[in-house]
Amino acid sequence: SQTIHQWPATLVQPVGSPLSLECTVEGTSNPNLYWYRQAAGRGLQLLFYSVGIGQISSEVPQNLSASRPQDRQFILSSKKLLLSDSGFYLCAWSKDRASQPQHFGDGTRLSIL
Amino acid sequence: ILNVEQSPQSLHVQEGDSTNFTCSFPSSNFYALHWYRWETAKSPEALFVMTLNGDEKKKGRISATLNTKEGYSYLYIKGSQPEDSATYLCASLSGNEKLTFGTGTRLTIIP
Repeated sequence: SQTIHQWPATLVQPVGSPLSLECTVEGTSNPNLYWYRQAAGRGLQLLFYSVGIGQISSEVPQNLSASRPQDRQFILSSKKLLLSDSGFYLCAWSKDRASQPQHFGDGTRLSIL
Repeated sequence: ILNVEQSPQSLHVQEGDSTNFTCSFPSSNFYALHWYRWETAKSPEALFVMTLNGDEKKKGRISATLNTKEGYSYLYIKGSQPEDSATYLCASLSGNEKLTFGTGTRLTIIP
């Protein structure tokens, strides 16, 4: 069966520090991969998605970036975190972007001080 | 409708009662409508993916309907149980292949 792992579960970082959140999927090949953020009181916002190695589409201009160095690995990064980057970050995968559901990781609670 | 909107924002229902809530989405360029259940301290879990107008799907006591012409979907829960307490999210997939989520309906079942 397929599983998705996302870490760390919680992270407290100072403003201006770098960020790296990692997500890996097991039990499937060539998944579509996604990074979402939920800011306080708001819905899930799609940040990045990837349909293959090295292919990243950005939905929202910001100081975050994503990379997909391997088929089942998706990394969310920042060189310098802002206060506004605080939130709950979710990684997800799906086999098909239209007709198949997305499967989510457990999320990372990021607090910027 | 330009965004995905869910109503009500929150709902308290007595155990055993049935309930329903609404998801409104842009009807133009529609591709698919997703429903997820998000329990506290867990990750969102897929309930349904619907693509055809008039679609109706059922999973145990939970069912959903879809009207793509007018841009709405209803989620029904029959005979609510405490384990149904969660936030229910809907998301619309439009032609640009971007899944847009609503802010959810937070359901609390009162024992």
